Amino acid sequence: EVQLVESGGGLVQPGGSLRLSCAASGSGFSFYAMSWVRQAPGKGLEAVSGMTNRGQNTYYADSVKGRFTISRDTSMNTLYLEMSSLRAEDTAVYFCAKHRGFLLLFPFDVWGHGTMVTVAS
Amino acid sequence: QSALTQSASVSGSPGQSITISCTGTSTDVGAYDHVSWYQQHPAKAPKLLISGVSTLASGISDRFSGSKSGNTASLTISGLQTEDEAHYYCCAYATSGRQVFGGGTKLTVL
Repeated sequence: EVQLVESGGGLVQPGGSLRLSCAASGSGFSFYAMSWVRQAPGKGLEAVSGMTNRGQNTYYADSVKGRFTISRDTSMNTLYLEMSSLRAEDTAVYFCAKHRGFLLLFPFDVWGHGTMVTVAS
Repeated sequence: QSALTQSASVSGSPGQSITISCTGTSTDVGAYDHVSWYQQHPAKAPKLLISGVSTLASGISDRFSGSKSGNTASLTISGLQTEDEAHYYCCAYATSGRQVFGGGTKLTVL
């Protein structure tokens, strides 16, 4: 089974940039759609961005469109989230999540432990 | 891209049954049968409970069940146990091409 480990979180100033990584172990990373889901402190879950298995289709939440970019490197079994023009409201735990299949309509069946992003001066 | 609507909290006693509702629109919950439910304990990652409206995920107790009518999906937990105390989130695939979550419901087992 695929296991996911996120990294790259930290403290960043408003307007700054950060790149999150999600390393997948186990087989089949290239077969599955992947997404980033965030959770602000004390709040609910928000699907931020996702990508089909071969990158044909992507989505972005309106709140991050134009500022975040999702990508994946199949050779490295890694999913990325490039975040720029960061705002205080982007402060959250960012989870990497695997979809059960190659399309974005499949549910999230494997989650990482999350990485914390704090945007503050 | 509004979140789906869930009641903020629900409670029940051990052994009882509770139902959590999740209301959306014809462009998300009502559009497809791609509704899933997740359980999240404090400081933990969410865990898939149910997909496709009513299909139990692997290893999930049959005390959990799901259903849908129109734009409203429901999660029922029967025979409540103390370890069921957690937050529960519904999620639906929308016509916009993305997954949309509910605001979450905190279940307290009294």
